[in-house]
Amino acid sequence: SYVLTQPPSVSVAPGQTARITCGGNNIGSKSVHWYQQKPGQAPVLVVYDDSDRPSGIPERFSGSNSGNTATLTISRVEAGDEADYYCQVWDSSSDPFRVFGGGTKLTVL
Amino acid sequence: EVQLVQSGAEVKKPGESLKISCKGSGYSFTSYWIGWVRQMPGKGLEWMGIIYPGDSDTRYSPSFQGQVTISADKSISTAYLQWSSLKASDTAMYYCARLLEYSSSFFFDYWGQGTLVTVSS
Repeated sequence: SYVLTQPPSVSVAPGQTARITCGGNNIGSKSVHWYQQKPGQAPVLVVYDDSDRPSGIPERFSGSNSGNTATLTISRVEAGDEADYYCQVWDSSSDPFRVFGGGTKLTVL
Repeated sequence: EVQLVQSGAEVKKPGESLKISCKGSGYSFTSYWIGWVRQMPGKGLEWMGIIYPGDSDTRYSPSFQGQVTISADKSISTAYLQWSSLKASDTAMYYCARLLEYSSSFFFDYWGQGTLVTVSS
């Protein structure tokens, strides 16, 4: 089955850039999607298809994907960006349901 | 506006049955897969299964096959997740979400607010 690996935590000061990685075997050949989940709230899609943003998501959120690593980049981090972030792929060649990464807690210092 | 509205929090005893719901509005309910996602306390997201309300085609994660039943009533634009005999380990937040197909991939573009299920004796 396909496995997605995320760091448990990332810390960044306000105004700086946060980079959250999602590792997987040849993940660059797949479409990667990212969700933000704030405490007590449902997840929200922030990036889809590696680097596209849904309507209403700030341009500060961007994504990239190459080789074995996909990255969610949050520029000019704000206190309100503090949340858990999950990557997701659709892998129909194996168990299609182990498609979420374990999640990364972003802490704004 | 696309909305998924879930039923309210539930407190149940082990061995009891339960059916929670997810009502879609603002889009063609029969044209999109709906998925159920579990989040245990303090843990990450787990994909349980999906259903296509148009024809009730249902797929389960192997981890949840036989443990839950996913169904839908397209006449009232509502999907369901049910248990026949709850366990304490079923205590979790359960989310429904709409699955969107894009560029040969799928992702959840709209989510319900979640239903908290607590199972305790």
